[in-house]
Amino acid sequence: EIVMTQSPATLSVSPGERATLSCRASQSVSSNLAWYQQKPGQAPRLLIYGASTRATGIPARFSGSGSGTEFTLTISSLQSEDFAVYYCQQSKSAWTFGQGTKVEIK
Amino acid sequence: EVQLVQSGAEVKKPGESLRISCKGSGYSFTSYWISWVRQMPGKGLEWMGRIDPSDSYTNYSPSFQGHVTISADKSISTAYLQWSSLKASDTAMYYCARHDAVPAAMNYYYYMDVWGKGTTVTVSS
Repeated sequence: EIVMTQSPATLSVSPGERATLSCRASQSVSSNLAWYQQKPGQAPRLLIYGASTRATGIPARFSGSGSGTEFTLTISSLQSEDFAVYYCQQSKSAWTFGQGTKVEIK
Repeated sequence: EVQLVQSGAEVKKPGESLRISCKGSGYSFTSYWISWVRQMPGKGLEWMGRIDPSDSYTNYSPSFQGHVTISADKSISTAYLQWSSLKASDTAMYYCARHDAVPAAMNYYYYMDVWGKGTTVTVSS
């Protein structure tokens, strides 16, 4: 099973600042990597697929990069609605999620 | 509007059986796989398995193989997740999600683009 490890567990950021979230795979997943956002009491929402392609309707302040085993989700200027938990997920083999990064208000 | 509508919250006792559902609408149900995802209280997301509604072919995560059964009835655009004997540790929120894919260099990039609102399952004596 491919293990996905996200860091940090919690990220404290002020509104308007940049947030950088990391995701590491235990073996190469090529670009078979998606990012999801989940707010309390809500279902997850797709942000990024193919490691770097924004899903329909996702603002340009969200960007994804990386391939192989190292991936990054960047939120260029945090808005109030962006404070949430973010998950990476690989679809290379027997899909698995990372444990999540909580982005909280500093 | 494309949506997945899940069945309502369930409260069960250990050892009981249960089947929860996920009805797709606004799209061709047999053209997209459906996955099930577990979220235990206060925890992260866990992919359980998926089904191709066109022929009911399934894949399971090794962690869930043999513990749950995923099925579908394409005539009513509905996917199911079922347990034959619940345990307290099955207490969780369960989401269904639609797969989509885009072609990539040597394969496809898969992702879950439409999610149901979730079904809460509580197992307690």
